[in-house]
Amino acid sequence: GESVGLHLPTLSVQEGDNSIINCAYSNSASDYFIWYKQESGKGPQFIIDIRSNMDKRQGQRVTVLLNKTVKHLSLQIAATQPGDSAVYFCAETSNSGYSTLTFGKGTMLLVSP
Amino acid sequence: DSGVTQTPKHLITATGQRVTLRCSPRSGDLSVYWYQQSLDQGLQFLIQYYNGEERAKGNILERFSAQQFPDLHSELNLSSLELGDSALYFCASSMGINSNQPQHFGDGTRLSIL
Repeated sequence: GESVGLHLPTLSVQEGDNSIINCAYSNSASDYFIWYKQESGKGPQFIIDIRSNMDKRQGQRVTVLLNKTVKHLSLQIAATQPGDSAVYFCAETSNSGYSTLTFGKGTMLLVSP
Repeated sequence: DSGVTQTPKHLITATGQRVTLRCSPRSGDLSVYWYQQSLDQGLQFLIQYYNGEERAKGNILERFSAQQFPDLHSELNLSSLELGDSALYFCASSMGINSNQPQHFGDGTRLSIL
């Protein structure tokens, strides 16, 4: 698939703030999107996913928004905590043929107490 | 804990050598995926197996090969190692055959080529 990119390589916030991590994708055929969190020394951890028939999906303290018109995806983290500090990846794929998950480069989120 | 187990956690070897990385998927998952993560390339998909059969191939070098065994564990074999092969290698698993579902990752094997 085509590459998925991130606008901000590093995001610094204060504890308690809301964080927004953005992701642009270029493959208009993509219909499944997923966010992962990767802490130092660990593998990517699934956070939340969304399919293209939805605009918004909420989890515990996280919300993913999908704007198919401008091919944009965002992850909102409410009341950010120091434990949220990590690298966040968006990834996309389509439900066609042998499509595989394509990851963006990642955004580092730094949360200060 | 994702339920995906990778061994070994660290591997140090020399150029020209061959290594085998092992992955045990989550219970019930039939798909296994291998990824390479390096500083300059991010997470790159290498190969997927589903229920013992190769399903999809990404940017996997000819020096690399993989297989999935009847008990569903998988091995990634890297041969004629080069300095540029130093990276983190992740295994992920999912229940179904298609990529449009969450993949659950192990904590990786860090490969260092000296």
